[in-house]
Amino acid sequence: DSGVTQTPKHLITATGQRVTLRCSPRSGDLSVYWYQQSLDQGLQFLIQYYNGEERAKGNILERFSAQQFPDLHSELNLSSLELGDSALYFCASSPGTGGTNIQYFGAGTRLSVL
Amino acid sequence: GQQVMQIPQYQHVQEGEDFTTYCNSSTTLSNIQWYKQRPGGHPVFLIQLVKSGEVKKQKRLTFQFGEAKKNSSLHITATQTTDVGTYFCAEKNTGGFKTIFGAGTRLFVKA
Repeated sequence: DSGVTQTPKHLITATGQRVTLRCSPRSGDLSVYWYQQSLDQGLQFLIQYYNGEERAKGNILERFSAQQFPDLHSELNLSSLELGDSALYFCASSPGTGGTNIQYFGAGTRLSVL
Repeated sequence: GQQVMQIPQYQHVQEGEDFTTYCNSSTTLSNIQWYKQRPGGHPVFLIQLVKSGEVKKQKRLTFQFGEAKKNSSLHITATQTTDVGTYFCAEKNTGGFKTIFGAGTRLFVKA
């Protein structure tokens, strides 16, 4: 168990809808990262937050947004969903923000857009 | 922009054979990390390399960081079925900020 909790584990929704994915980082970790993994694909970095502030941005669509709350949990909001958004979404956390920080991944949320 | 090339994309081996995956970057790296993702699982940190020419071992796994800090390799000696999964390198270039994951090498081991 990595200590990172993601909810829900599975999400099935329809095109055009909006969903929210939640992540609770490991105790003490200040950084949260979001990744998208399509079927048998690599990890696409979406966004990173550090202590409530956005720190780095990857190829995140404008339809997607995220935030990190004062209690350090994070939410990833996906709106106007399309079939191609179906994927596994991982959250990871690390103590700090530097490149030597080890990332601890949650079990992921599997999103199916029908 | 920063790019990470990881090869091969797939590798099928017979149990007992060796396996190597390579990670190459066009820029100098501050460090490189390796992660393993079992089928149906999530990525799990294996090791981090920081120094030029660094070599680290974990049982049957040997990790190397190139002298120029632009490439890295993971070598598994005598693969076992428990080695099945996807191996990712993750790197952060010098002066950069984001950690970028390679596309991964998926290892299949036939018993």
